[in-house]
Amino acid sequence: RKEVEQDPGPFNVPEGATVAFNCTYSNSASQSFFWYRQDCRKEPKLLMSVYSSGNEDGRFTAQLNRASQYISLLIRDSKLSDSATYLCVVNGAGNNRKLIWGLGTSLAVNP
Amino acid sequence: DAGVTQSPTHLIKTRGQQVTLRCSPKSGHDTVSWYQQALGQGPQFIFQYYEEEERQRGNFPDRFSGHQFPNYSSELNVNALLLGDSALYLCASSLVGGGISYEQYFGPGTRLTVT
Repeated sequence: RKEVEQDPGPFNVPEGATVAFNCTYSNSASQSFFWYRQDCRKEPKLLMSVYSSGNEDGRFTAQLNRASQYISLLIRDSKLSDSATYLCVVNGAGNNRKLIWGLGTSLAVNP
Repeated sequence: DAGVTQSPTHLIKTRGQQVTLRCSPKSGHDTVSWYQQALGQGPQFIFQYYEEEERQRGNFPDRFSGHQFPNYSSELNVNALLLGDSALYLCASSLVGGGISYEQYFGPGTRLTVT
């Protein structure tokens, strides 16, 4: 089983749709979780950290399910500019500062 | 507030040559991580530097080495380049200090092509 797994997609959705991505991780001792966004041939940009209680930033909501070892990202009212690859990132166990990256989920929002 | 900067932006090298990539972290950050990203793949962790020492290392051969300077900037060196080393090399900075913070901020990357 891969340490961090994501559905590569692509997800093709119309403008205004709600779309959700899941990401599973294998190490139950992981403590930190993030979603990054990466545009084609650009660097990843931090979208959200994922907290135990779940967190929301505008149209974006991130949640953590420790029991099932997955994190999710929900995008509401999707915009054309949301088209990108969304990368799930998890740290190693305990104080391990190494971040483990998923391969990313590709999202295309269509007019 | 200066973000993460990397140089050069593009580089073309020949097999067997050596290359040095440079990174300056975001102002106030003390930790630099280096990643290799091949087309269509997620970033692969190479290593991380904190307090001028390599703290973590991914599954990369010894041909990949690095350094961190007292001003927190960092270099990535790759020796004996292979065609497979062609990729986008990303530098990410974060603030660890006395606590634990893993939010990393990336530079624009250096695109290395090995011919």
